[in-house]
Amino acid sequence: AQTVTQSQPEMSVQEAETVTLSCTYDTSESDYYLFWYKQPPSRQMILVIRQEAYKQQNATENRFSVNFQKAAKSFSLKISDSQLGDAAMYFCAYRSLYYGGSQGNLIFGKGTKLSVKP
Amino acid sequence: SQTIHQWPATLVQPVGSPLSLECTVEGTSNPNLYWYRQAAGRGLQLLFYSVGIGQISSEVPQNLSASRPQDRQFILSSKKLLLSDSGFYLCAWSFTGNEQFFGPGTRLTVL
Repeated sequence: AQTVTQSQPEMSVQEAETVTLSCTYDTSESDYYLFWYKQPPSRQMILVIRQEAYKQQNATENRFSVNFQKAAKSFSLKISDSQLGDAAMYFCAYRSLYYGGSQGNLIFGKGTKLSVKP
Repeated sequence: SQTIHQWPATLVQPVGSPLSLECTVEGTSNPNLYWYRQAAGRGLQLLFYSVGIGQISSEVPQNLSASRPQDRQFILSSKKLLLSDSGFYLCAWSFTGNEQFFGPGTRLTVL
Protein backbone atom coordinates (compact mmCIF):
# COMPACT_ATOMS: atom_id res chain seq x y z
CA ALA A 1 0.00 0.00 0.00
CA GLN A 2 1.12 3.51 -0.71
CA THR A 3 2.02 5.89 2.09
CA VAL A 4 2.72 9.61 2.22
CA THR A 5 4.93 11.16 4.90
CA GLN A 6 5.28 14.81 5.83
CA SER A 7 8.02 15.00 8.42
CA GLN A 8 7.58 18.68 9.33
CA PRO A 9 4.49 19.18 11.53
CA GLU A 10 5.11 22.94 11.61
CA MET A 11 7.16 25.43 9.62
CA SER A 12 7.63 29.17 9.82
CA VAL A 13 8.74 31.71 7.23
CA GLN A 14 9.26 35.44 7.14
CA GLU A 15 7.06 37.37 4.78
CA ALA A 16 8.68 37.72 1.30
CA GLU A 17 11.09 34.86 2.02
CA THR A 18 11.14 31.38 0.53
CA VAL A 19 10.15 28.19 2.31
CA THR A 20 10.25 24.53 1.30
CA LEU A 21 7.85 21.90 2.64
CA SER A 22 8.94 18.28 2.47
CA CYS A 23 7.00 15.22 1.39
CA THR A 24 8.12 11.66 0.78
CA TYR A 25 6.04 8.75 -0.39
CA ASP A 26 6.32 5.04 -0.78
CA THR A 27 4.95 3.15 -3.77
CA SER A 28 5.79 0.27 -6.04
CA GLU A 29 4.01 1.88 -8.96
CA SER A 30 5.87 3.64 -11.75
CA ASP A 31 3.11 6.01 -12.80
CA TYR A 32 1.07 8.15 -10.46
CA TYR A 33 0.02 11.69 -9.58
CA LEU A 34 1.20 13.86 -6.72
CA PHE A 35 -0.59 16.90 -5.35
CA TRP A 36 -0.18 19.66 -2.82
CA TYR A 37 -3.32 20.97 -1.17
CA LYS A 38 -3.65 24.03 1.03
CA GLN A 39 -6.11 24.26 3.92
CA PRO A 40 -6.42 27.82 5.27
CA PRO A 41 -8.21 28.64 8.55
CA SER A 42 -11.53 28.45 6.68
CA ARG A 43 -10.66 24.72 6.36
CA GLN A 44 -11.65 24.40 2.72
CA MET A 45 -9.09 22.30 0.86
CA ILE A 46 -7.61 24.10 -2.13
CA LEU A 47 -5.52 22.45 -4.81
CA VAL A 48 -2.17 24.19 -5.10
CA ILE A 49 -0.24 22.16 -7.64
CA ARG A 50 -0.13 18.75 -9.29
CA GLN A 51 2.65 16.65 -10.77
CA GLU A 52 2.44 13.67 -13.09
CA ALA A 53 5.16 11.15 -12.31
CA TYR A 54 5.86 10.49 -15.98
CA LYS A 55 6.82 14.14 -16.49
CA GLN A 56 10.39 15.01 -15.66
CA GLN A 57 9.73 18.73 -15.61
CA ASN A 58 8.82 20.11 -12.21
CA ALA A 59 5.38 21.73 -12.03
CA THR A 60 5.07 25.43 -11.24
CA GLU A 61 2.09 27.64 -10.43
CA ASN A 62 3.04 31.27 -9.97
CA ARG A 63 4.94 31.45 -6.65
CA PHE A 64 4.54 27.72 -6.02
CA SER A 65 6.87 25.13 -7.47
CA VAL A 66 7.79 21.54 -6.71
CA ASN A 67 11.02 19.59 -6.62
CA PHE A 68 10.04 16.13 -7.79
CA GLN A 69 12.72 13.49 -7.27
CA LYS A 70 11.19 10.25 -8.53
CA ALA A 71 14.07 7.95 -7.63
CA ALA A 72 14.17 9.34 -4.11
CA LYS A 73 10.35 9.38 -3.91
CA SER A 74 10.44 12.96 -2.78
CA PHE A 75 8.01 15.74 -3.66
CA SER A 76 8.75 19.04 -1.93
CA LEU A 77 6.83 22.29 -2.31
CA LYS A 78 8.64 25.61 -2.59
CA ILE A 79 6.79 28.81 -1.86
CA SER A 80 8.59 31.92 -3.06
CA ASP A 81 7.93 35.48 -1.89
CA SER A 82 5.78 34.19 0.96
CA GLN A 83 2.66 36.18 1.74
CA LEU A 84 0.53 36.36 4.87
CA GLY A 85 -2.23 34.60 2.95
CA ASP A 86 -0.01 31.57 2.49
CA ALA A 87 -0.41 30.70 6.17
CA ALA A 88 -2.25 27.39 6.22
CA MET A 89 -1.98 23.64 6.58
CA TYR A 90 -0.38 22.06 3.55
CA PHE A 91 -1.11 18.47 2.61
CA CYS A 92 0.80 16.29 0.20
CA ALA A 93 -1.26 13.64 -1.59
CA TYR A 94 -0.68 10.66 -3.86
CA ARG A 95 -2.97 9.07 -6.42
CA SER A 96 -2.42 5.99 -8.53
CA LEU A 97 -2.53 6.54 -12.28
CA TYR A 98 -4.50 3.37 -12.76
CA TYR A 99 -8.09 4.25 -12.06
CA GLY A 100 -10.33 1.53 -10.71
CA GLY A 101 -11.82 0.60 -7.38
CA SER A 102 -9.98 2.38 -4.62
CA GLN A 103 -6.92 3.01 -6.73
CA GLY A 104 -8.24 6.37 -7.79
CA ASN A 105 -8.45 7.64 -4.25
CA LEU A 106 -6.08 10.19 -2.80
CA ILE A 107 -3.70 9.19 -0.04
CA PHE A 108 -2.85 12.17 2.15
CA GLY A 109 0.05 12.97 4.43
CA LYS A 110 -0.67 14.35 7.89
CA GLY A 111 0.07 17.91 6.89
CA THR A 112 2.48 20.73 7.67
CA LYS A 113 1.28 23.88 9.40
CA LEU A 114 2.90 26.92 7.81
CA SER A 115 3.07 30.22 9.67
CA VAL A 116 4.06 33.44 7.92
CA LYS A 117 5.61 36.18 10.04
CA PRO A 118 5.10 39.81 9.03
CA SER B 1 -17.69 25.88 -14.03
CA GLN B 2 -18.14 23.24 -11.37
CA THR B 3 -19.11 24.03 -7.82
CA ILE B 4 -19.62 21.85 -4.78
CA HIS B 5 -21.92 22.63 -1.88
CA GLN B 6 -22.18 21.18 1.59
CA TRP B 7 -24.72 21.78 4.29
CA PRO B 8 -25.08 22.45 7.01
CA ALA B 9 -21.88 24.40 7.62
CA THR B 10 -21.93 23.66 11.33
CA LEU B 11 -23.91 21.21 13.40
CA VAL B 12 -24.13 20.42 17.10
CA GLN B 13 -25.85 17.16 17.93
CA PRO B 14 -26.34 15.10 21.11
CA VAL B 15 -24.92 11.61 21.41
CA GLY B 16 -27.33 9.04 20.03
CA SER B 17 -29.08 11.40 17.64
CA PRO B 18 -29.25 10.80 13.87
CA LEU B 19 -27.13 12.60 11.30
CA SER B 20 -27.59 13.66 7.72
CA LEU B 21 -24.99 15.70 5.85
CA GLU B 22 -25.57 16.61 2.25
CA CYS B 23 -23.22 17.33 -0.60
CA THR B 24 -24.18 18.41 -4.10
CA VAL B 25 -22.11 19.15 -7.17
CA GLU B 26 -23.06 21.47 -10.01
CA GLY B 27 -21.67 21.82 -13.49
CA THR B 28 -20.59 18.25 -14.16
CA SER B 29 -22.10 14.84 -14.79
CA ASN B 30 -21.27 11.46 -13.31
CA PRO B 31 -18.58 12.74 -10.95
CA ASN B 32 -16.76 10.54 -8.49
CA LEU B 33 -17.77 11.62 -5.01
CA TYR B 34 -15.95 11.27 -1.70
CA TRP B 35 -16.58 11.81 2.01
CA TYR B 36 -13.62 12.57 4.28
CA ARG B 37 -13.36 13.22 7.99
CA GLN B 38 -10.70 15.38 9.55
CA ALA B 39 -10.31 15.15 13.31
CA ALA B 40 -8.79 18.11 15.14
CA GLY B 41 -5.10 18.51 14.28
CA ARG B 42 -5.05 15.49 12.00
CA GLY B 43 -5.03 14.61 8.35
CA LEU B 44 -7.88 13.49 6.18
CA GLN B 45 -9.46 10.08 6.54
CA LEU B 46 -11.41 8.76 3.56
CA LEU B 47 -14.77 7.42 4.70
CA PHE B 48 -16.70 6.63 1.52
CA TYR B 49 -16.43 7.04 -2.19
CA SER B 50 -18.86 6.59 -5.04
CA VAL B 51 -18.34 6.16 -8.77
CA GLY B 52 -22.03 6.28 -9.66
CA ILE B 53 -25.64 6.37 -8.45
CA GLY B 54 -26.22 3.76 -5.78
CA GLN B 55 -22.57 2.67 -5.82
CA ILE B 56 -20.92 3.21 -2.45
CA SER B 57 -17.60 1.89 -1.21
CA SER B 58 -16.64 2.12 2.43
CA GLU B 59 -13.05 2.58 3.49
CA VAL B 60 -13.54 2.53 7.24
CA PRO B 61 -16.12 0.38 9.07
CA GLN B 62 -18.05 2.50 11.55
CA ASN B 63 -21.51 3.68 12.45
CA LEU B 64 -21.66 6.00 9.46
CA SER B 65 -23.21 5.24 6.08
CA ALA B 66 -23.40 7.01 2.74
CA SER B 67 -25.87 7.11 -0.09
CA ARG B 68 -26.00 8.55 -3.57
CA PRO B 69 -29.64 8.92 -4.56
CA GLN B 70 -28.87 11.17 -7.52
CA ASP B 71 -25.92 11.61 -9.83
CA ARG B 72 -24.65 14.77 -8.14
CA GLN B 73 -25.88 14.21 -4.60
CA PHE B 74 -23.96 12.44 -1.86
CA ILE B 75 -25.33 12.00 1.65
CA LEU B 76 -23.53 10.98 4.83
CA SER B 77 -25.74 9.54 7.56
CA SER B 78 -25.75 7.97 10.95
CA LYS B 79 -28.57 6.44 12.96
CA LYS B 80 -26.88 7.13 16.32
CA LEU B 81 -23.99 9.54 16.71
CA LEU B 82 -21.02 8.81 18.97
CA LEU B 83 -18.73 11.32 20.63
CA SER B 84 -15.95 10.08 18.36
CA ASP B 85 -17.93 11.19 15.31
CA SER B 86 -17.06 14.82 16.04
CA GLY B 87 -14.88 16.38 13.40
CA PHE B 88 -14.77 18.27 10.16
CA TYR B 89 -16.44 16.50 7.26
CA LEU B 90 -15.36 17.26 3.73
CA CYS B 91 -17.04 16.22 0.53
CA ALA B 92 -15.03 16.12 -2.68
CA TRP B 93 -15.57 15.36 -6.33
CA SER B 94 -13.29 14.35 -9.16
CA PHE B 95 -13.71 13.74 -12.85
CA THR B 96 -11.94 10.85 -14.52
CA GLY B 97 -10.18 10.24 -11.22
CA ASN B 98 -7.82 13.17 -11.39
CA GLU B 99 -7.39 15.78 -8.70
CA GLN B 100 -10.21 16.13 -6.23
CA PHE B 101 -12.04 19.35 -5.54
CA PHE B 102 -13.39 19.91 -2.08
CA GLY B 103 -16.47 21.52 -0.66
CA PRO B 104 -16.44 24.04 2.20
CA GLY B 105 -16.96 21.32 4.83
CA THR B 106 -19.26 20.72 7.79
CA ARG B 107 -18.06 21.11 11.35
CA LEU B 108 -19.83 18.50 13.49
CA THR B 109 -19.75 18.59 17.27
CA VAL B 110 -21.28 15.70 19.16
CA LEU B 111 -22.02 16.46 22.81
